[in-house]
This record gives sequence, structure tokens and C-alpha cells, in this order.
Amino acid sequence: GQQLNQSPQSMFIQEGEDVSMNCTSSSIFNTWLWYKQDPGEGPVLLIALYKAGELTSNGRLTAQFGITRKDSFLNISASIPSDVGIYFCAGPPLGNEKLTFGTGTRLTIIP
Amino acid sequence: GAVVSQHPSRVICKSGTSVKIECRSLDFQATTMFWYRQFPKKSLMLMATSNEGSKATYEQGVEKDKFLINHASLTLSTLTVTSAHPEDSSFYICSARDRDRIHEQYFGPGTRLTVT
Repeated sequence: GQQLNQSPQSMFIQEGEDVSMNCTSSSIFNTWLWYKQDPGEGPVLLIALYKAGELTSNGRLTAQFGITRKDSFLNISASIPSDVGIYFCAGPPLGNEKLTFGTGTRLTIIP
Repeated sequence: GAVVSQHPSRVICKSGTSVKIECRSLDFQATTMFWYRQFPKKSLMLMATSNEGSKATYEQGVEKDKFLINHASLTLSTLTVTSAHPEDSSFYICSARDRDRIHEQYFGPGTRLTVT
């Protein structure tokens, strides 16, 4: 079945640092979604991307839909404590309404 | 906008009993809702797709008689875990898809089920 691989699996950074993570697929996606999940909560949609090459921002977050349609990137600038959590990429593979989720990137901020 | 609620947020039940979890879209109509299960430190695993007014579609390996899904209206879907066993203990999350934004899913806060 479909697999979305996220990298890195975990990150330990200091407050104020920028963060980059990516998601790759073995097949083409026509939509990329980025979610953040806090412990014991459901995922919250951060950014939705619909076109290859699209670059979209939401505050300090910026995400890009890769040109090949098989990858996506999420950047967080000037991280703050509330950015801690698990970030998931997700998307419906071409011709499918169901979401496939990435393996997740766990972000931890070191005091 | 795009708020999804789940109830209860936590439930503890004894083996052999049934538990019902509700998922509601509060400010939009959702023709399709999804039920996921999440194990600790793992990603979300789709269990079933729930369409308003029709039978749910279950993923491979998910027992439809064990996990009963009802999507009676455009804003409510329920998941009933029947004859629960300790291995059913998990975090269950629903999501709803806005019929005007078919590629975006909005998630509820999740329900932590513990079967003793």
C-alpha cells in the first residue's frame, strides 16, 4: 500500500531555531496536508497544498508542494515552545478519497 | 470554522461491554466521516469510512461486527465498540470532510478507550 515517509523522525532544537521537515511518497499525490498533533489530542490542520510547486504560508509555517508531486516540505521559523508536538504530512493518493498519513516528525524544544 | 467534537473524551469499561463514541461536525455538513485508531507513538490508522445514509466501508482487517458505525445525519457519526476486550484499548479519532472542501479532513479531539 501507500507509504509516506517523513524525515526526520524526531528533532531536538532550541527555542528560536528554524525547523525543516519533509515527506516523500512512492507515488503521486494531488493534495498535501500538514497536521500537528499535541499529546492526547486530535490532529489540527495547519496547511493544505493543491498544486505542484505551490508555496503556502500560515504565520511562521511555510509548506511547499514538490514539483514531482511525490514530496512536500514544512518549515517553521523562529520556533517557540508551543510548536512542540508531532507533525504529520498526509494526502489522498491520486484517485483515492482516503488520507494516507506520514510516519510523523516529533519536535522537542530544549530549554 | 471546521470544528469537530467527540464524546466522550475518555472512557473506561469492563471487558464484554459495548461503548459508543460520537463524532459531530459543529459548523459544517459532512457527507463523509472517517474513523481512525492510533497506537502510542504511531501514526493514524484508518478503520472505516462513514457516508451519510449508507453503510460504512471498512479497511482490510477491521471487523465490521466489532466496530459498528452509523452515520445518521450530515453532522453525526457514531462508532460502537461491541464486546470490548483489553486489546481494543486505544485512542480513537474521527474526522469529517467538509463537502465543499473535499480534500481536507478536520479531526475531533479523540477518545481514549481503556478496557479493563
